[in-house]
Amino acid sequence: DAGVIQSPRHEVTEMGQEVTLRCKPISGHNSLFWYRQTMMRGLELLIYFNNNVPIDDSGMPEDRFSAKMPNASFSTLKIQPSEPRDSAVYFCASSIAGGAETQYFGPGTRLLVL
Amino acid sequence: RKEVEQDPGPFNVPEGATVAFNCTYSNSASQSFFWYRQDCRKEPKLLMSVYSSGNEDGRFTAQLNRASQYISLLIRDSKLSDSATYLCVPKYNQGGKLIFGQGTELSVKP
Repeated sequence: DAGVIQSPRHEVTEMGQEVTLRCKPISGHNSLFWYRQTMMRGLELLIYFNNNVPIDDSGMPEDRFSAKMPNASFSTLKIQPSEPRDSAVYFCASSIAGGAETQYFGPGTRLLVL
Repeated sequence: RKEVEQDPGPFNVPEGATVAFNCTYSNSASQSFFWYRQDCRKEPKLLMSVYSSGNEDGRFTAQLNRASQYISLLIRDSKLSDSATYLCVPKYNQGGKLIFGQGTELSVKP
């Protein structure tokens, strides 16, 4: 079975450009999470969805960040405009239900903003 | 105070050694606890859940002390393949929100 799929795996862009990260959760999973990981701040939850509905976006750093989940099999995280401090690894994870113990992480997108 | 605090390490130990990691959490409402493992440049993966009475999975033993808001992970007979970062993860009771610690880095040497 396919795990969580993320694309692109690597992204290098220039400051001010729009960046779109994509995620396909595991089929049948109802919850989807977006995380950001940096050396300084560790792994931070940005936003999570239950049944395609955003439940908690308190971790979204600012208005430049937005996330959507138009259907059960696809989600995007957009940064517009991007800044060098957005450089990080962005992980998408999914779980069977919002209260489920195990979250399955995708391989991550390594973003570098120059 | 951080919601989850871990000793970042690194812990450098020889093969066969026993090593213990500690973690404290600040939110007393946390109901479930986990240890995740993250290999270098990889995604985190669930290692084990932590139950109130403590639990064991092979060489790994997890303990929970709710009164002190403290979780521990013990690894016996360390293997080279145990080298990774170990993340302490309390879960809030509502929804699926996990709070990840900064992680403790373990390096097992031959």
